[in-house]
Amino acid sequence: DIQMTQSPSSLSASVGDRVTITCRASQSISNYLNWYQQKPGKAPKLLIYAASSLESGVPSRFSGSGSGTDFTLTISSLQPEDFASYYCQQNYDPPLTFGGGTKVEI
Amino acid sequence: QVQLVQSGAEVKKPGASVKVSCKVSGYTLTELSMQWVRQAPGKGLEWMGGFDPEDGDTIYAQKFQGRVTMTEDTSTDTVYMELSRLTYEDTAVYYCATVSMDVWGQGTTVTVSS
Repeated sequence: DIQMTQSPSSLSASVGDRVTITCRASQSISNYLNWYQQKPGKAPKLLIYAASSLESGVPSRFSGSGSGTDFTLTISSLQPEDFASYYCQQNYDPPLTFGGGTKVEI
Repeated sequence: QVQLVQSGAEVKKPGASVKVSCKVSGYTLTELSMQWVRQAPGKGLEWMGGFDPEDGDTIYAQKFQGRVTMTEDTSTDTVYMELSRLTYEDTAVYYCATVSMDVWGQGTTVTVSS
């Protein structure tokens, strides 16, 4: 199975901050990498697919980069509604494993 | 616009089985492929299995092999996930999602309790 290691597991930030979350795969997954946002009691929401493609309707302050084994999710200017948990997921090879998550807190 | 509506919360005893449904609207099941993901309380997301469009087959995570069955009824555009031999560790919210993961159901809480 491909292991996905996300860091940090949590971070504290303020409105307006630039936030970066990293995700590392245990083997090359090309660009088969999704990023999700999840708020308490809600289903995950797809933000980024294919490592760097912005899902329709997602604000442009979210961006993704990387390929191979190392990936990054960046929020350019954190907004109040962005305080949530974020997960990466590889869809290169089943099982489609997720990272452990990053909780973004005030 | 695809929408996925899941069945309601369930409480089951250890050793029992649970069957969660996920009804598709806005599209037909013949146009979609589905996945199942679960999340234990306070924990991360865990992929359980789903339809692999490349193979044309349903694949399951090794962890659930022999305990999980994913089926579909194209006459009602509904997919099902049945998990058997439940233990306390199966207490979780279960989600269906399209294979591209861009549309998710609202989640179904399954509680295993004696």
